[in-house]
Amino acid sequence: DTGVSQDPRHKITKRGQNVTFRCDPISEHNRLYWYRQTLGQGPEFLTYFQNEAQLEKSRLLSDRFSAERPKGSFSTLEIQRTEQGDSAMYLCASSLRGSRTDTQYFGPGTRLTVL
Amino acid sequence: DAKTTQPPSMDCAEGRAANLPCNHSTISGNEYVYWYRQIHSQGPQYIIHGLKNNETNEMASLIITEDRKSSTLILPHATLRDTAVYYCIVRVEDNDMRFGAGTRLTVKP
Repeated sequence: DTGVSQDPRHKITKRGQNVTFRCDPISEHNRLYWYRQTLGQGPEFLTYFQNEAQLEKSRLLSDRFSAERPKGSFSTLEIQRTEQGDSAMYLCASSLRGSRTDTQYFGPGTRLTVL
Repeated sequence: DAKTTQPPSMDCAEGRAANLPCNHSTISGNEYVYWYRQIHSQGPQYIIHGLKNNETNEMASLIITEDRKSSTLILPHATLRDTAVYYCIVRVEDNDMRFGAGTRLTVKP
């Protein structure tokens, strides 16, 4: 257990529905990252926050995806009008910028299945 | 960030050392070498990282060549629980992690 938690762990939804995932980082960590991982591939970067500011977004993050970190603590990732291609593991990681190494620690992930 | 090359799969006998290679010939001077592993259906787990010196912790050792163009992760006494996909990543601090396909290590009894 790294101290990063994600909820829910599994989500099954029908195409066209909206889904929201939550990530709670390690408490003192100021950076929070979202990644997506499809079967047989390594994780792919989606976006990251430093405190409440979203500093970078990958081109993978289509306009159906939105992420927030309103108070610089937990974060949510929402997918609107889900498509079957959105089926993947969504991973959250956190780190402490300003520490010696800025090492990222990952949560267990949320597995999304879109039917 | 520099690209890495890893073998797609390796086997290791239980109790023996597992040596996982990684090539990163285009690494630049301010890029660190990180290793993570991912056990089936779990999030990636941080193992170790280094810049140019060899590093050791309770999980593994990291050997980086003098020219920094390759590295080896060593699990000194592999157990069945070390079966996982191992990712070698080079990155500048403050950047996101760019994962490749990794090496699937299978530890056999």
